[in-house]
Amino acid sequence: AQTVTQSQPEMSVQEAETVTLSCTYDTSESDYYLFWYKQPPSRQMILVIRQEAYKQQNATENRFSVNFQKAAKSFSLKISDSQLGDAAMYFCAYYDSGAGSYQLTFGKGTKLSVIP
Amino acid sequence: DARVTQTPRHKVTEMGQEVTMRCQPILGHNTVFWYRQTMMQGLELLAYFRNRAPLDDSGMPKDRFSAEMPDATLATLKIQPSEPRDSAVYFCASGLVENEQYFGPGTRLTVT
Repeated sequence: AQTVTQSQPEMSVQEAETVTLSCTYDTSESDYYLFWYKQPPSRQMILVIRQEAYKQQNATENRFSVNFQKAAKSFSLKISDSQLGDAAMYFCAYYDSGAGSYQLTFGKGTKLSVIP
Repeated sequence: DARVTQTPRHKVTEMGQEVTMRCQPILGHNTVFWYRQTMMQGLELLAYFRNRAPLDDSGMPKDRFSAEMPDATLATLKIQPSEPRDSAVYFCASGLVENEQYFGPGTRLTVT
């Protein structure tokens, strides 16, 4: 079974600085997708960024970018110019369609605090 | 700005009562998922629909949970009878394809 591990339960960053959240995963599949979701105190799960495993280029969305290392099965999220609104739980998630699977497998999350 | 909507946002009920949670997927999305989030277990898939047909509900306690899609604009999750261990946040998500799921705001359920 696929597993997703987020080894940092909590992190903090100064406003305007850069922070990197770690995620590793375990899979035997070669074709899959990886995601970062943000969950602010409102509880809404917001899709931040998506990466297809077959693409070598790292995905970026404005201040959010990923470092995808397929061989190492690592998928970290970098937040540049951190803002107070970035404070939230961040979940790494994995998806593949192998063996009829269709569900997202989530990590346990990293709580990010932004210090003014 | 298309969004998944869920009602109610909060529900407090007594053990043994029936609970119904509703979800309106994004118009045009043909996949719908129900997830449950707890501190202990994190996010777990309860049920999955494609084109309104239930394809998997193996994550649900069959004796008390049921999920349906009466039409393309409504998905429901029912718990009868509810128990304190059902207290959690229940999320609905929809997508055009399974590898892109957009979540609703969730229903926080408290069973006393």
